Amino acid sequence: DVKVTQSSRYLVKRTGEKVFLECVQDMDHENMFWYRQDPGLGLRLIYFSYDVKMKEKGDIPEGYSVSREKKERFSLILESASTNQTSMYLCASSPGGPGQGYSPLHFGNGTRLTVT
Amino acid sequence: QQPVQSPQAVILREGEDAVINCSSSKALYSVHWYRQKHGEAPVFLMILLKGGEQKGHEKISASFNEKKQQSSLYLTASQLSYSGTYFCGTAPKRDDKIIFGKGTRLHILP
Repeated sequence: DVKVTQSSRYLVKRTGEKVFLECVQDMDHENMFWYRQDPGLGLRLIYFSYDVKMKEKGDIPEGYSVSREKKERFSLILESASTNQTSMYLCASSPGGPGQGYSPLHFGNGTRLTVT
Repeated sequence: QQPVQSPQAVILREGEDAVINCSSSKALYSVHWYRQKHGEAPVFLMILLKGGEQKGHEKISASFNEKKQQSSLYLTASQLSYSGTYFCGTAPKRDDKIIFGKGTRLHILP
């Protein structure tokens, strides 16, 4: 079974702090994604990567950046956390070439981030 | 363009059937269905590719009407374990990103 592991289940940070959310997958998937989940809004794509050192903006990239130095690891960075970034963050991976149209996503259990 | 799911929420008794709809304003290559139980990660159910394909998995099946840009998820003789939030995701092209709907909350009562 594919395992996508997010380093923290719960995280509490102060406004202005730099925050790192880590995600590791163990199935050699090319594609990795970061989503944000808020009640009533569904899953919104923040950033994604189809290869090592490659990154592309999703639908809501403002206030975030990412890093993918190794194939199995994809990090989400909040440069200066703000209260409106309080949310559930989900990492996902998928096999195959670029795109999401034809492959299932495998999600991690999520990190619930609270910014105070 | 975010797909529209309906209904937003539904409450059923165990053994009843449910239908969840997903509709897009754009032509679609594929529709994806996921279920998320409370406090857990979304879990993949199935992908439907254009061509009016219907898929099934035990008592959960789905259809995809390419011309109408709509998909429906059918849950037959629902079980308590079916409770959760169901998300559809749509992709206009094979190499596009998926855009998820807002979800449909399904609650099954004993």
